[in-house]
Amino acid sequence: GQQVMQIPQYQHVQEGEDFTTYCNSSTTLSNIQWYKQRPGGHPVFLIQLVKSGEVKKQKRLTFQFGEAKKNSSLHITATQTTDVGTYFCAGRRQQGGKLIFGQGTELSVKP
Amino acid sequence: GAGVSQTPSNKVTEKGKYVELRCDPISGHTALYWYRQSLGQGPEFLIYFQGTGAADDSGLPNDRFFAVRPEGSVSTLKIQRTERGDSAVYLCASSPDRGDETQYFGPGTRLLVL
Repeated sequence: GQQVMQIPQYQHVQEGEDFTTYCNSSTTLSNIQWYKQRPGGHPVFLIQLVKSGEVKKQKRLTFQFGEAKKNSSLHITATQTTDVGTYFCAGRRQQGGKLIFGQGTELSVKP
Repeated sequence: GAGVSQTPSNKVTEKGKYVELRCDPISGHTALYWYRQSLGQGPEFLIYFQGTGAADDSGLPNDRFFAVRPEGSVSTLKIQRTERGDSAVYLCASSPDRGDETQYFGPGTRLLVL
């Protein structure tokens, strides 16, 4: 079945360093979403990417969708302690289909 | 406005018992989803409702799991003959329409089966 793999599983950075998490799907995706889950919290939607090669920015966060629509990345520039949490990608194989979540990348930031 | 709410927030039960978990979606949202999240994992899709009907129940692990949404608003996830492996956080999410949009998650119900 469809799988969404995410790496790394954990990332520990010093405040101010950059951070990137990568997401790969075994099948072509219709669209991909990114969520953030704070410790003890629930997933919160960040963004959706739909088009091949799409790049979107939210302040220090940059999201990319690969040309083949099978991979995606989230890059955070100059991390802050408020960035702490687990970042999940979630892809749909077809429009209106179920979301398949990756295992997440847990980010910790040392002040 | 109010977000997605779930009750109870925590549920401890014994192996073999029956449990019901409730989800109140955001008012007016027609799409409702149930997920299960184990420690260190991403949410795992269980079932998706569009209105009152289950549009996709392919994620339900077996026939001990069942969900309803009789009036197109509140949903109940029902687990019969609970097993220790059912222990997880059960998350509910809703979205405004057909399902390609932002999903708004509730706080989850933490289920522990002893």
